[in-house]
Amino acid sequence: DAKTTQPPSMDCAEGRAANLPCNHSTISGNEYVYWYRQIHSQGPQYIIHGLKNNETNEMASLIITEDRKSSTLILPHATLRDTAVYYCIVRGQYNTDKLIFGTGTRLQVFP
Amino acid sequence: EAGVAQSPRYKIIEKRQSVAFWCNPISGHATLYWYQQILGQGPKLLIQFQNNGVVDDSQLPKDRFSAERLKGVDSTLKIQPAKLEDSAVYLCASSPSGDTQYFGPGTRLTVL
Repeated sequence: DAKTTQPPSMDCAEGRAANLPCNHSTISGNEYVYWYRQIHSQGPQYIIHGLKNNETNEMASLIITEDRKSSTLILPHATLRDTAVYYCIVRGQYNTDKLIFGTGTRLQVFP
Repeated sequence: EAGVAQSPRYKIIEKRQSVAFWCNPISGHATLYWYQQILGQGPKLLIQFQNNGVVDDSQLPKDRFSAERLKGVDSTLKIQPAKLEDSAVYLCASSPSGDTQYFGPGTRLTVL
C-alpha cells in the first residue's frame, strides 16, 4: 500500500503557484520523498525528490517539513500543460526499493 | 537523448488470446521495470530487471504473465491467456542506477 496521503483533486489558475500537499507520517529516516506526474495518455514523469532538505530544480520546488511527516510540491507558475495527476511517493534508498504509486492528486490548471 | 520506446501503443484482443509487448529502454540503463496501470489507479510494479536478471517479480501473475530481458537491453512482456481483468496500460520504465525512473508512453491493452 502507498505510504502517502494526497487530496484527490485541486484547481489552480494559470500563472499562479500550485501547492500540492502530501502527508507521509510513517516515513522512515532513510526514505526519500519522490514526486512524479502523469499527463493524460502519457507515462509518469519524474519531477523531483528529497530526503530532508528543501530541493529545487527547473520544474518545481519540494518543501519537506522538519519532522519529515509532510511535504509540499510547488509549481511556481502553473501553465495549462501542468494539468496532470501528481503522485507523491515515499521510497527507500536502495535499488531494490519499489516506487509504490497511490491514486495521486489530479491538478487542473484553468485559464 | 531518446526516451523509453514501447510498442505497440494500442492492442485489442479477445479473452484467452495471447499478446506481447516490447520495450527498448534508454541506452545504458541497467534497470528495467514493467508496470500495470488499471484505469483510475496508479501504476503497479509487475517485474524489475537488473541487466538481464530478475530483481523482483513478486507481483507478476506467473500463471499467465512472463517477461524476459535478453542481453540486458530490450524486454518483452507476454500474457497468455489474457483475461478481461488484464485490460490496462502496460508501462515500461528504465533507470541508470535504480533511483530515478524514466517511463515510456505505455501500451493500452483492451481485452474483449
